[in-house]
Formats: sequence, structure tokens, C-alpha cells
Amino acid sequence: EIVLTQSPATLSVSPGEGATLSCRASQSINSNLAWYQQKLGQAPRLLIYGATARATGIPARFSGSGSGTDFTLTINSLQSEDFAVYYCQQYNDWPPYSFGPGTRVEIK
Amino acid sequence: QVELVESGGGVVQPGRSLTLSCTASGFTFGTFAMHWVRLAPGKGLEWAAGLSYDGNNKYVGDSVKGRFSISRDNSRNQLFLQMSSLRAEDTALYYCARSLVVAGHLDTWGQGTLVTVSS
Repeated sequence: EIVLTQSPATLSVSPGEGATLSCRASQSINSNLAWYQQKLGQAPRLLIYGATARATGIPARFSGSGSGTDFTLTINSLQSEDFAVYYCQQYNDWPPYSFGPGTRVEIK
Repeated sequence: QVELVESGGGVVQPGRSLTLSCTASGFTFGTFAMHWVRLAPGKGLEWAAGLSYDGNNKYVGDSVKGRFSISRDNSRNQLFLQMSSLRAEDTALYYCARSLVVAGHLDTWGQGTLVTVSS
């Protein structure tokens, strides 16, 4: 089973600043990685799939990069609505899907 | 619009059974793979089960294997999760989600239904 690790666990950012979130896989998953945003009390929302493709309706300030085992989600100029928990998920070696433990982005 | 609505959650005693439902609308349900993903208190997302668009290929996670089963009724646009021998650690918010292919990203999620396993 592929294990995903995310860092940092918590990221404190001021509105308007940028944020870089990391996701590392225990073995190569090619580009079969997705990123989700989950706000308190809401369902997860797909942000990025295929490591780099933005989902429909996702603002351009969200971008994904990486392949193989190391991936990054970058959020440029954080808005108030971006403070949430972010999960990565692999679908290369399935089943099972595996999710990372999440990165909480909080207001500094 | 595309929508998934879960139902059937509640409080159940350990060892008992419960069936969750997910009703889809706004898209051709029978052409998408479907999944159940759960979020336990203080934990992260955990995939529980998934099945192909036609229901012929079914998969469950190791933590629920032998206790949970997934099924669908494409004529009624519904997805089900039959849970038995429930444990305290099954307490979670259960989401249904769809993917274009059975091993793919989850592009639409429901709002979830809460299952609490407690005596």
C-alpha cells in the first residue's frame, strides 16, 4: 500500500501571502495525484488532478506540480476562503486509494 | 446541477448493522464509478469502498473488509453501503463521491451522513 506524507502539518499564513504544501509518496505514483480542499463542516472539493490540472471552477491561484514521489500544491496570494485543510490522494496503485494526513492552512 | 445526497446515518450500538444510501442527480449515474470515503473525528480522510459504473467490480478497504459491502442501483440512481459488525472506530462522517473511472480522482462529493457507533 502506498503511504502519502504531507508537510507541514500546519501552515500559518497571512492573507495575501503565498503557501507551499508538500506531499510525498512512498513509491512512484507517476502523476496520479489529486489535491482536495476541505473547510470545516463542508465536503471535500477537488482542486487538482493528474498532479497539475486544475479542476473546473478552481481559481488560477491554485497550482500543482511534481511527478513520481514528490508533489507540491502552491497557493498564490491566499484569500480568506482558502483557509482550510488540504489533502493529497493517490490513485496510481489502487485499491486502496490512499490519502495523506492533511495540511491545515490557518490564518497567521 | 450535479448533486450527491447521502442518508441513513445515525446512532447504532456496537455489533449492529446499518445501511447508508447516496442518491445522485444531475448526471448520468450509470456511467460513473462511485465510492464511499469517511472522516473520523480528529482524523483524516479514509477511503472505505468503491465500485465500477456497472457494479461488477467492487473493492473495500482493509479496515472494513468482511464487514462492509458496496452496491448500486443504476435504475434508481442510488449507491449503498451495507455496514455490519460496527465498531466504535467506524464512527465517522461518510461521504459518497464519484470518479470518471474506478481508479481516478473524486470530482464530486456529497455533504456526508454521520454514523455514530456507541452503546
